Amino acid sequence: AQSVTQLGSHVSVSEGALVLLRCNYSSSVPPYLFWYVQYPNQGLQLLLKYTSAATLVKGINGFEAEFKKSETSFHLTKPSAHMSDAAEYFCAVRRSGGYQKVTFGTGTKLQVIP
Amino acid sequence: DTAVSQTPKYLVTQMGNDKSIKCEQNLGHDTMYWYKQDSKKFLKIMFSYNNKELIINETVPNRFSPKSPDKAHLNLHINSLELGDSAVYFCASSQGGEGGQPQHFGDGTRLSIL
Repeated sequence: AQSVTQLGSHVSVSEGALVLLRCNYSSSVPPYLFWYVQYPNQGLQLLLKYTSAATLVKGINGFEAEFKKSETSFHLTKPSAHMSDAAEYFCAVRRSGGYQKVTFGTGTKLQVIP
Repeated sequence: DTAVSQTPKYLVTQMGNDKSIKCEQNLGHDTMYWYKQDSKKFLKIMFSYNNKELIINETVPNRFSPKSPDKAHLNLHINSLELGDSAVYFCASSQGGEGGQPQHFGDGTRLSIL
């Protein structure tokens, strides 16, 4: 079984402040982990992914995430928030080994305050 | 050129009707998916096809029937629409249905049942 938990359905930050979106996963085997962003009336876009090559993963738009096996976490961060970062963010997990579905978290809506 | 395109973008219809949603991808991927996103943004896999073969079939009412005429197309037909079918339906594709391959999403079809 696999699952992801995103802590905080809504997160508000001031423009220029640090963005931290939390994701914890559970998987019985080594997982692949993803962060996606969804802007209003659009589909999901990949921000970054973890595939065991490196624990610190850099993505698009200045985002990065660190895989911490001991904490079963894959939190998303960005040093300085921009207004354009306001969107819904989804953490997702897929188990390794054969065809496996991707399980998405419930999403975190990021609000950026000017 | 749009990578994953869905038609129609909006679908408003009455309870009991039958409707179809079409999806096409021009990324050369061999795996396609249908997801349902509810009003709380929860995203759930419905079906997945790899090279026209059904590989993931979640617990979905049999009123929903996917069809993949070739690996670039995946359609979704829904019979006897119910109020609870109101949602945004996303098509996605990836190269391979396993591992760390990310999924590319269409912009969704917003289905409203009156």
